[in-house]
Amino acid sequence: GQNIDQPTEMTATEGAIVQINCTYQTSGFNGLFWYQQHAGEAPTFLSYNVLDGLEEKGRFSSFLSRSKGYSYLLLKELQMKDSASYLCAVRSHSGNTPLVFGKGTRLSVIA
Amino acid sequence: SQTIHQWPATLVQPVGSPLSLECTVEGTSNPNLYWYRQAAGRGLQLLFYSVGIGQISSEVPQNLSASRPQDRQFILSSKKLLLSDSGFYLCAWSNRGGYNTEAFFGQGTRLTVV
Repeated sequence: GQNIDQPTEMTATEGAIVQINCTYQTSGFNGLFWYQQHAGEAPTFLSYNVLDGLEEKGRFSSFLSRSKGYSYLLLKELQMKDSASYLCAVRSHSGNTPLVFGKGTRLSVIA
Repeated sequence: SQTIHQWPATLVQPVGSPLSLECTVEGTSNPNLYWYRQAAGRGLQLLFYSVGIGQISSEVPQNLSASRPQDRQFILSSKKLLLSDSGFYLCAWSNRGGYNTEAFFGQGTRLTVV
């Protein structure tokens, strides 16, 4: 089976750094994706990891450890507009396999 | 550039009525297509996916069905809606093959069954 776990909610202060964790147990592994979803809107792609290590994209970074089945999304210099849900997703097999999503972490950024 | 269109944006339907949601993709050929549902406060649940015309894989047994009559068209249907069918329905596409192929989502349809 497939199991992807994330914290349900997090709160952080504007200008701070927040780390959102994701652990996964899947029948195979062929990449981990992070998406951002504002309330009432569709998810938008943030980052992709398939090899161990850190991928940096501006204020957002994503880390992967395949041996531990663990990833995190790091958001720096938080802004109010970063208040959203962050979804972790895993592709378990070939590129034609659908992404399986965790339930998402709702992040609230406060002043 | 590639775009995905999904309609309608919102829909209120009575229990027992039929449903048809349509999704089309432009600017790419032979995409993988997906239907997901997101219930209030819950994650994205994969309903159906398709790797080609007429090829549909169902992930969750229920009263919904999907069809792909054309390469870039994906339709979600039901003959009789249930209250539990309420939710946010999202169509998505990705490129065939490859590994770092993220899914791109349409704007979604918010369905309320009353």
